[in-house]
Amino acid sequence: NAGVTQTPKFQVLKTGQSMTLQCAQDMNHEYMSWYRQDPGMGLRLIHYSVGAGITDQGEVPNGYNVSRSTTEDFPLRLLSAAPSQTSVYFCASSYSTGSTNEKLFFGSGTQLSVL
Amino acid sequence: KQEVTQIPAALSVPEGENLVLNCSFTDSAIYNLQWFRQDPGKGLTSLLLIQSSQREQTSGRLNASLDKSSGRSTLYIAASQPGDSATYLCAVIGRLGFQKLVFGTGTRLLVSP
Repeated sequence: NAGVTQTPKFQVLKTGQSMTLQCAQDMNHEYMSWYRQDPGMGLRLIHYSVGAGITDQGEVPNGYNVSRSTTEDFPLRLLSAAPSQTSVYFCASSYSTGSTNEKLFFGSGTQLSVL
Repeated sequence: KQEVTQIPAALSVPEGENLVLNCSFTDSAIYNLQWFRQDPGKGLTSLLLIQSSQREQTSGRLNASLDKSSGRSTLYIAASQPGDSATYLCAVIGRLGFQKLVFGTGTRLLVSP
């Protein structure tokens, strides 16, 4: 049972480069989301999706794009990487949107450095 | 705007001690509160979820309590072990669901043998 799988685990980019962080879950979860974790700031929501074809912005969406073409996959795209996007990125999923007290499942994270 | 605070930021205890981690939140209109564990280089694992109508939840050596009126939750760890060493985060969720989940910055716990 793989759960939530994120790739890559580590990535170094130069300013201005683009890349896609991959996230896949095998639990048939409708809700998927991306967070970034920065020292002293806690986890902050970037984008989320409540089902295939439906996405919305979270607290810190600027510089990131998402799409949800299937239930299983929710990639996060950095359009033009900036040093301020150096962070640890987590993908999380759940059966529903949190209104019925279900738990949130996290991937193991992607550590991204932008030089 | 909901704010979640966890104090202390770091805690070091000898093995076998009982300990309490604190979480406070500014808006008492929450739907539930969750405690997570994060190991270095790993993702978060959900430990306990307390619904707003509940006062506490227990799982093994862990007990989480919730006092909505005072905006506080505690995570009690009994008979601590070195394997309990990790960062513990609390998160509160409002009626709008996970898109309004707000995390605290965590307490880093070190249990020494």
